[in-house]
Amino acid sequence: SQTIHQWPATLVQPVGSPLSLECTVEGTSNPNLYWYRQAAGRGLQLLFYSVGIGQISSEVPQNLSASRPQDRQFILSSKKLLLSDSGFYLCAWSAFGNNNQPQHFGDGTRLSIL
Amino acid sequence: AQSVTQPDIHITVSEGASLELRCNYSYGATPYLFWYVQSPGQGLQLLLKYFSGDTLVQGIKGFEAEFKRSQSSFNLRKPSVHWSDAAEYFCAVFSGGYNKLIFGAGTRLAVHP
Repeated sequence: SQTIHQWPATLVQPVGSPLSLECTVEGTSNPNLYWYRQAAGRGLQLLFYSVGIGQISSEVPQNLSASRPQDRQFILSSKKLLLSDSGFYLCAWSAFGNNNQPQHFGDGTRLSIL
Repeated sequence: AQSVTQPDIHITVSEGASLELRCNYSYGATPYLFWYVQSPGQGLQLLLKYFSGDTLVQGIKGFEAEFKRSQSSFNLRKPSVHWSDAAEYFCAVFSGGYNKLIFGAGTRLAVHP
């Protein structure tokens, strides 16, 4: 069966520091991958999605970037964190392609910026 | 543009009571709709999905949802709520390609004993 892992589970970082959040998927090949941010009391905002290695699409302008160095690895990064980057970050995967398959989520990373 | 509206931000029910969470969507074609549940500090779990066919779909944990095209709605129901159902519930619709989703703002469910 497929599983998705995110780490770290929680992170406290000072303003201006770099960021790297990692997401890996097991049990499937060529998944579509997604990064979401969930601000307190709000819904989910899609930040990035990827349909293959090195292929990243950004949904909203922001201070973050994403990379996909391997088929089942998706990384969310920042060079300098802002206070507004605080939130709950969720990674998700779906079956490869444009095939109306649901997304499946990891357990998230709680990011607090001080 | 596609959108999802969940009119109720917060709902409280008593344990054993019935539940209905509302979801309205805006979509030009036949929508593909989902309900997810999120326990505090956790990721989202898929409860059920509607793609086509029977407008009443059954999901996990005793939940069901009914698709009503005339009302642009996809409401989630459960006949008898358990304390463990306390969580946040999100309705979502496919948006464009590559299985991307648009989510509603969520409904937080509290269950009184």
